[in-house]
Amino acid sequence: EVQLLESGGGLVQPGGSLRLSCAASGFTFTSYAMSWVRQAPGKGLAWVSAIGARAATTYYADSVRGRFTISRDNSNTLYLQMNSLRDEDTAVYYCARVLSGPDVGADTFGIWGQGTLVTVSS
Amino acid sequence: EIVMTQSPATLSVSPGERATLSCRASQSVSSNLGWYQQKPGQAPRLLIYAASTRATGIPVRFSGSGSGTEFTLTISSLQSEDFAVYYCQQYNNWPPYTFGQGTKLEIK
Repeated sequence: EVQLLESGGGLVQPGGSLRLSCAASGFTFTSYAMSWVRQAPGKGLAWVSAIGARAATTYYADSVRGRFTISRDNSNTLYLQMNSLRDEDTAVYYCARVLSGPDVGADTFGIWGQGTLVTVSS
Repeated sequence: EIVMTQSPATLSVSPGERATLSCRASQSVSSNLGWYQQKPGQAPRLLIYAASTRATGIPVRFSGSGSGTEFTLTISSLQSEDFAVYYCQQYNNWPPYTFGQGTKLEIK
């Protein structure tokens, strides 16, 4: 079964850091680009960051560029290092696999994890 | 950045009836458009990609149409499990990938 399982969420103070993980199983992880998408409480979906299958290319939303870092490793795990967190970063963070292939590009999100909640508050 | 606008914000339909949801892009996205369903407390689920192709396992009552800037998701005969929030998303001009604000489909 194809599965994505996020972890690492929690409560953090403004200015703090957190690292999210997403464990992939049931497919060849190294063959697909991956993304993080977030959803603030009661709000819609917002793309955060993407990484190619070989980790050579990364992309970020303007709202997180310079504060967040996406990465992946050969243990079938995707990461999101979040620094200098702000109140507005409070959201459920989903990892998502593209539908088709290894490159970040014109491809939709075919597989989603269940999400992990990040709360930024003092 | 391409802005995706969905209408209506809320749609009230009776079970067994047809539902039509709209999505408009601020500029052409060709056919690079997906639709997602999200139920409370759950992750989004891909329904339609490439504007009109059903994802694996999606019932035939879900259909998508359109290209360029105007898109439609139609649910031909609503079942109880179809009441949810629906999002469109463009993946033609990226980054960023952008989503509509969602349409809540509720029971009339």
